[in-house]
Amino acid sequence: GAGVSQTPSNKVTEKGKYVELRCDPISGHTALYWYRQSLGQGPEFLIYFQGTGAADDSGLPNDRFFAVRPEGSVSTLKIQRTERGDSAVYLCASSLTRGTTLNGYTFGSGTRLTVV
Amino acid sequence: SQQGEEDPQALSIQEGENATMNCSYKTSINNLQWYRQNSGRGLVHLILIRSNEREKHSGRLRVTLDTSKKSSSLLITASRAADTASYFCATVPNAGNMLTFGGGTRLMVKP
Repeated sequence: GAGVSQTPSNKVTEKGKYVELRCDPISGHTALYWYRQSLGQGPEFLIYFQGTGAADDSGLPNDRFFAVRPEGSVSTLKIQRTERGDSAVYLCASSLTRGTTLNGYTFGSGTRLTVV
Repeated sequence: SQQGEEDPQALSIQEGENATMNCSYKTSINNLQWYRQNSGRGLVHLILIRSNEREKHSGRLRVTLDTSKKSSSLLITASRAADTASYFCATVPNAGNMLTFGGGTRLMVKP
């Protein structure tokens, strides 16, 4: 597609529930990144995919968080047993190659997750 | 954790004035980038400056980089109300691939 698409744009869930957040990167972009942004703060890195594999998952806060990218395109961020502290905007970005290009990353509009 | 800090955290100016935002970071970098964010959603890439560059221009934007001080500045000249947004600097380290963001500067341009 023309840009990075994230769905849903908003998600409200009850504490303890499981959620999946989807990211559809720009076609042909091999690198995909997930970030989490709390209100009033900068985005914090979660995980980076190069192709189908997670090249760096050092930002995942705990084992309730997991992400996949089975075919090297669409990625899903999965959160188990959600907690109120998981409430944030989850941002996805893609880039043409490993690392960054002259044009930087292209970000999606994010999914605002609210855990009640 | 966040790599850098932006200064000021918030800035309010009148339309037509210049806006200067500063960013400091901690580790050696490959490049530094500035992003803009409206309404807390998607970030838009503005400009990238490599570690061997000292200054770069793009339209009304001017970015400087001082690697000896581990700092960068973003200047927006002749600001417009539409420039109201949050601005973030982000770095790519020499040893690593991902962007690490600062806390951002919230700019308000009053018409």
